[in-house]
Parts: sequence; structure tokens; C-alpha cells
Amino acid sequence: AQSVTQLGSHVSVSEGALVLLRCNYSSSVPPYLFWYVQYPNQGLQLLLKYTTGATLVKGINGFEAEFKKSETSFHLTKPSAHMSDAAEYFCAVSTFSGGYNKLIFGAGTRLAVHP
Amino acid sequence: GAGVSQSPSNKVTEKGKDVELRCDPISGHTALYWYRQSLGQGLEFLIYFQGNSAPDKSGLPSDRFSAERTGGSVSTLTIQRTQQEDSAVYLCASSSRRDTQYFGPGTRLTVL
Repeated sequence: AQSVTQLGSHVSVSEGALVLLRCNYSSSVPPYLFWYVQYPNQGLQLLLKYTTGATLVKGINGFEAEFKKSETSFHLTKPSAHMSDAAEYFCAVSTFSGGYNKLIFGAGTRLAVHP
Repeated sequence: GAGVSQSPSNKVTEKGKDVELRCDPISGHTALYWYRQSLGQGLEFLIYFQGNSAPDKSGLPSDRFSAERTGGSVSTLTIQRTQQEDSAVYLCASSSRRDTQYFGPGTRLTVL
């Protein structure tokens, strides 16, 4: 069975500071990994994804994540936080079980950015 | 192009009533998913449709929940005899079979 653990339900950073949101996964087969962002009263927007190949993945809005198989991690980072980054972030894992992409989500991390 | 759309955006209903939630996927996407987002439960998979294949209903929480997809496009999620614990945001997503899922804005359901 697959699962996702996001460490820290709330993270607060200063504007301009490093953003680090942690995600660890469990999967018995090579995983596909995703980060989604949710702004208030909106749906989920894909930030980035890892399927195969290069383990450092770059996404939108300056975010990136690194797949580390040995640590079963897929942490999300951004060098310099912006006020507009305040949102909830979800890490998700999937395998194409049954021929389709069923996502298993972590509990989410709410990012606050203060001046 | 147009993204996934859902209607209504908000729905308030009384306990025991039936509700229907609608999802219009991105044109050409063959796969459609429903998820539920609620406090304490996070994001839960409900049901998946792929083309004309039988749907995967393994995530539906009870037999009060059902969904259909007509003509391989629009989908309707129906909740019968709603209960207060059904209050949540219901999210729809679509994809090209094995590709990235794109989400709609969701329907916020409140059961009084």
C-alpha cells in the first residue's frame, strides 16, 4: 500500500526566506510523485511532478523538488518566499495500478509568509 | 483552453435531501476522477472513470454515493439522503489516461 506523510501541518516563513516543505512516501513499486498547491477557495494546481529520469524536478513559480529514493523523500523547496506563496501544499504519490493514475495525498501543509 | 469546471460552486442542503454535483472535464480527457476534501480526512479518492470501462468505485464511502459519466464526458456525483458528515469540498479531476490530473475548483457542500 502507498502512503504519504507531510511533516508539519503549518509552516511559517519570512518573505525572502527559504521555503522547505517535507514529504516522505511509502510505495512498494517505483512511485510517481506530485506536489499540488491550493489557494483559498480554489482547486488544486500542479506545481511539479516526478515520473522517471532526473531526480531534481523544477516546477512553476520557482519551486523545485528532489526525489531521493534512499530517503523515500520528495521535499519541496523555493529559495526565496513571496507573499503570494501563502497557500496549502499537498504531496501525492501514485502508481499506475490498474492502468490509471490514482493519487494518494498527504494531509497537506499550510504555508504562511509574513513580511 | 478551458479547464475542468464544476457546478454548483456551493451547495447548502438539509439533512436527508439528495444532491447532484456536476463535473465537466477538459475536452479530450478520457479519465475522470472524483475526490472529497474534508476536515480531518484530507483528500480522499472516491471514484474513477476511464473511457467506456467499468468505473473504479472503491473509494465511495457508502451506498448513498453514486456517480455516472454520460457519453464519456460530463459526470454527475449523486449523494442520497445526505448526512452532516457528507459536508466537504468535492473535487473533480480529469486527465489523458496516464497523464497529470487537472483539478476543477470544487463544489463546497454543506449539510445542515
